[in-house]
Amino acid sequence: GNSVTQMEGPVTLSEEAFLTINCTYTATGYPSLFWYVQYPGEGLQLLLKATKADDKGSNKGFEATYRKETTSFHLEKGSVQVSDSAVYFCALSVQGGAAGNKLTFGGGTRVLVKP
Amino acid sequence: DSGVTQTPKHLITATGQRVTLRCSPRSGDLSVYWYQQSLDQGLQFLIQYYNGEERAKGNILERFSAQQFPDLHSELNLSSLELGDSALYFCASSPRTSASSYNEQFFGPGTRLTVL
Repeated sequence: GNSVTQMEGPVTLSEEAFLTINCTYTATGYPSLFWYVQYPGEGLQLLLKATKADDKGSNKGFEATYRKETTSFHLEKGSVQVSDSAVYFCALSVQGGAAGNKLTFGGGTRVLVKP
Repeated sequence: DSGVTQTPKHLITATGQRVTLRCSPRSGDLSVYWYQQSLDQGLQFLIQYYNGEERAKGNILERFSAQQFPDLHSELNLSSLELGDSALYFCASSPRTSASSYNEQFFGPGTRLTVL
């Protein structure tokens, strides 16, 4: 089956520090990969996506590259802000088939950025 | 704002009761997904509907059921509630199903269910 593993948090950083959240996956078929972010008290928002190998997704200073050879999709940001404090979820979806298009999520990584 | 709406925002009920959660997808989206977020299980897919028909099932209990109506809104029914059903229930929608090149889903704000 499909699964996503991401580093456990919480990750505590100072403002302007570099952030990396590791994510690896196993999938039957060719997945699309996503990072979702959940701010306190809110729903999930799509942060970025990549649909094929070597694609780089980017948004709001965050980046992640689809690495098929290492089955990874690590999230990075060069300089975090307090407003980046949230829970980050790595997810995959395999198109069509009996599984529909469901998202399979990792366990989430809580990030806390201190001023 | 994702364009997906869910009601109610909060729901507090007792064990053994039945509740209905409602979701309105983004305008034009044909697929609706339901997910459960709990502390011990994380985010888990429950069920997907596409244009009124069940498309895929995940870890959905037999006590739970869902449907999608002709106007494309969806309801998730939870019955014989147990303490362990306390969770955040998210609805998501997407434009198409297998014809899409990727499967971007847009999430609603969730319904927080507390079973006492």
